[in-house]
Amino acid sequence: AQKVTQAQTEISVVEKEDVTLDCVYETRDTTYYLFWYKQPPSGELVFLIRRNSFDEQNEISGRYSWNFQKSTSSFNFTITASQVVDSAVYFCALRGYGQNFVFGPGTRLSVLP
Amino acid sequence: DVKVTQSSRYLVKRTGEKVFLECVQDMDHENMFWYRQDPGLGLRLIYFSYDVKMKEKGDIPEGYSVSREKKERFSLILESASTNQTSMYLCASLPGTPDSNQPQHFGDGTRLSIL
Repeated sequence: AQKVTQAQTEISVVEKEDVTLDCVYETRDTTYYLFWYKQPPSGELVFLIRRNSFDEQNEISGRYSWNFQKSTSSFNFTITASQVVDSAVYFCALRGYGQNFVFGPGTRLSVLP
Repeated sequence: DVKVTQSSRYLVKRTGEKVFLECVQDMDHENMFWYRQDPGLGLRLIYFSYDVKMKEKGDIPEGYSVSREKKERFSLILESASTNQTSMYLCASLPGTPDSNQPQHFGDGTRLSIL
């Protein structure tokens, strides 16, 4: 069975602080894909990043960075110098090869001015 | 840009009514999905479809049905709405084969209240 855990239900930070959102996954598949989505108050889930199981290279995109570690089954997401516009619910998702997507419960991030 | 359009942002219905939620995508994607989102539970898959006229049950299909008569349109039907179906409903589409590693594209969601 596949499972995604996002232990942090809600996080509040002050603008310009760095914040890390945790994601831990479980799967028996050797080939799988991991995703992060952002859901702003408008409701639409916006795709942020995809990682394939065979590619453990970390990635940085502007203020966003992702740390994928197969040894600990984690795919954590860090926002550097957070801004109010980063306030949203963030979902981590897993898809085993040929399987359906499985989403974590989400982490609500509030960035205060 | 891919556009997934859900017919209503907010909907209020009464217990026992038959409710239709419509979803249209404009990018010729083969695969479409319906999820419901509840606090603390994330997104849970209700039904999905890999082609026209095809449908598959997801994790929580009870009380729902779907229709996919055209490739671009995927409808979710609540046969007899109940209060425990009050939720946020999200439609998504996905390009390529069913085992594609592409991300899903989501609509804005429909917040459904059953009174």
